[in-house]
Amino acid sequence: DQQVKQNSPSLSVQEGRISILNCDYTNSMFDYFLWYKKYPAEGPTFLISISSIKDKNEDGRFTVFLNKSAKHLSLHIVPSQPGDSAVYFCAASTLNNDMRFGAGTRLTVKP
Amino acid sequence: KAGVTQTPRYLIKTRGQQVTLSCSPISGHRSVSWYQQTPGQGLQFLFEYFSETQRNKGNFPGRFSGRQFSNSRSEMNVSTLELGDSALYLCASRRGQAAYEQYFGPGTRLTVT
Repeated sequence: DQQVKQNSPSLSVQEGRISILNCDYTNSMFDYFLWYKKYPAEGPTFLISISSIKDKNEDGRFTVFLNKSAKHLSLHIVPSQPGDSAVYFCAASTLNNDMRFGAGTRLTVKP
Repeated sequence: KAGVTQTPRYLIKTRGQQVTLSCSPISGHRSVSWYQQTPGQGLQFLFEYFSETQRNKGNFPGRFSGRQFSNSRSEMNVSTLELGDSALYLCASRRGQAAYEQYFGPGTRLTVT
């Protein structure tokens, strides 16, 4: 059951430009959302999160936006750097910590 | 503080065999979750253990099982392996059930031939 969907398997962006990664969810019980970043041969690492009571959370170059009515969240990376090239997973969790992940989006930032 | 460790890192098994994977969480973390990652499917949740009890379970057949020990270390077992079980198996720990952020290990790459 794909309760969390990342419809773009890949995204290519020029260095210095904005990267926008999208995520949609179907379960209205999700109340906490996270983004993870994964390099090859490593486990995913936590990047940024947002609670359902907020619509925006910013951490340096990374900003996550949440649109609850549309059941949509996005991750903005500005400016994008070649080191940001990785697979990005969106995750959503209910209050009782039932967490689901999307299929991931492979971001490539070209120098 | 040491991160989440998983052993072995790579494993090759034959169809029909069984396999046991091990995970040691970050010190002080009492919750351990297991995920299966396959291309195009992302991370599929297997199960979560907290204080030696299974708290959540994903939609996987009974061939997949796990347990957690009193020191929070966890093992995952897959019996009667099928070719489709070939995947990267990731373990993640978090401090407690109230914490959302999980810390992942590097994974065990299982290949079933």
